[in-house]
Amino acid sequence: DVKVTQSSRYLVKRTGEKVFLECVQDMDHENMFWYRQDPGLGLRLIYFSYDVKMKEKGDIPEGYSVSREKKERFSLILESASTNQTSMYLCASSLRAPGNEKLFFGSGTQLSVL
Amino acid sequence: EDQVTQSPEALRLQEGESSSLNCSYTVSGLRGLFWYRQDPGKGPEFLFTLYSAGEEKEKERLKATLTKKESFLHITAPKPEDSATYLCAVQDRGFQKLVFGTGTRLLVSP
Repeated sequence: DVKVTQSSRYLVKRTGEKVFLECVQDMDHENMFWYRQDPGLGLRLIYFSYDVKMKEKGDIPEGYSVSREKKERFSLILESASTNQTSMYLCASSLRAPGNEKLFFGSGTQLSVL
Repeated sequence: EDQVTQSPEALRLQEGESSSLNCSYTVSGLRGLFWYRQDPGKGPEFLFTLYSAGEEKEKERLKATLTKKESFLHITAPKPEDSATYLCAVQDRGFQKLVFGTGTRLLVSP
């Protein structure tokens, strides 16, 4: 089975801190994604990556950056955390091949910014 | 812009009481429509992909159907373990990303 592992289940940070959320997948998937999930707003795409060192902005990239130095690892960076970035963060991966685009999700990181 | 609207927001059923969840979508060219199940505190888990109008897929008590404007997730004789949030998402042709709806929270009581 595909496994997508997020480094932290719960994280508490202070306003202004630099925050790193790590995600690793073990199935050689080309695509990786970062979503945030908020009540009433659903899952919203922050950034995604089609390949190593490639990144594309999603729908809500402001305040975030990403890094993909290796195929299996995709990191989300909050340069200066703010309270409105308190959310559940979900990483996902998928194959690029048509007909195999279903996403496999990690368990999520619940981030609280105080 | 692609849009996905799910209804109802929440649904409470008695065990064995069949019902349907709705997912209405707007997309310039549908590449695929996806259904996911999400349990509290966990990431979404893939259920189905539908690619063209008229297509149907089944898994245990769940059956997903697709028209040109909406998809239904039919739940037949649900059990308490079917309680979860069900998410619908669409993928536009030419894009790898999925656009999600806000989900339907299903609670099945014994």
